[in-house]
Amino acid sequence: NAGVMQNPRHLVRRRGQEARLRCSPMKGHSHVYWYRQLPEEGLKFMVYLQKENIIDESGMPKERFSAEFPKEGPSILRIQQVVRGDSAAYFCASSPGTVASTDTQYFGPGTRLTVL
Amino acid sequence: ILNVEQSPQSLHVQEGDSTNFTCSFPSSNFYALHWYRWETAKSPEALFVMTLNGDEKKKGRISATLNTKEGYSYLYIKGSQPEDSATYLCAFTGNQFYFGTGTSLTVIP
Repeated sequence: NAGVMQNPRHLVRRRGQEARLRCSPMKGHSHVYWYRQLPEEGLKFMVYLQKENIIDESGMPKERFSAEFPKEGPSILRIQQVVRGDSAAYFCASSPGTVASTDTQYFGPGTRLTVL
Repeated sequence: ILNVEQSPQSLHVQEGDSTNFTCSFPSSNFYALHWYRWETAKSPEALFVMTLNGDEKKKGRISATLNTKEGYSYLYIKGSQPEDSATYLCAFTGNQFYFGTGTSLTVIP
């Protein structure tokens, strides 16, 4: 029973390029969460999605960032026109989706994004 | 933006010592308090979810308590072992999900 999968594990982009980060939740999980960890900081909530729905994107920067969780396939966090300040570790977590606030979230290994 | 604070920021203990650390969170709009253990180069791993005032949870040598009225939770480790070395995160869930910055524990053999 595979855990939460994220790919790529490391991603290097030049300023102005696009970054696409993928997250496959655990089998049977219908909720996905994305977090960002900036250097020397803690985990910051970005967005919470169910299949084909964004439930809460209040932690997501208003520009250049978007997320989706299609009916088929992984959840995608997309960052357009990356800047150096986007360099961070991006973690995805999934949960069964019974009660979001009390569900245990299972984390993936993260994607380390470096913007040159 | 809510503040979830953890203290101390880092801690070094000798093998065999017992230790504890604190997570402080807002006492309003409370749904749940989560504790995670995060080893270097790995993913955060869930330890406990607590929802009720006075909850106590235990997993081996690790236990946690919850006080929602005053907004704090304690995590205790009894007889620390080197493999307990990790960062311990708490997360408050109200309308959103807020993580503390963690307590980094190093257990010295």
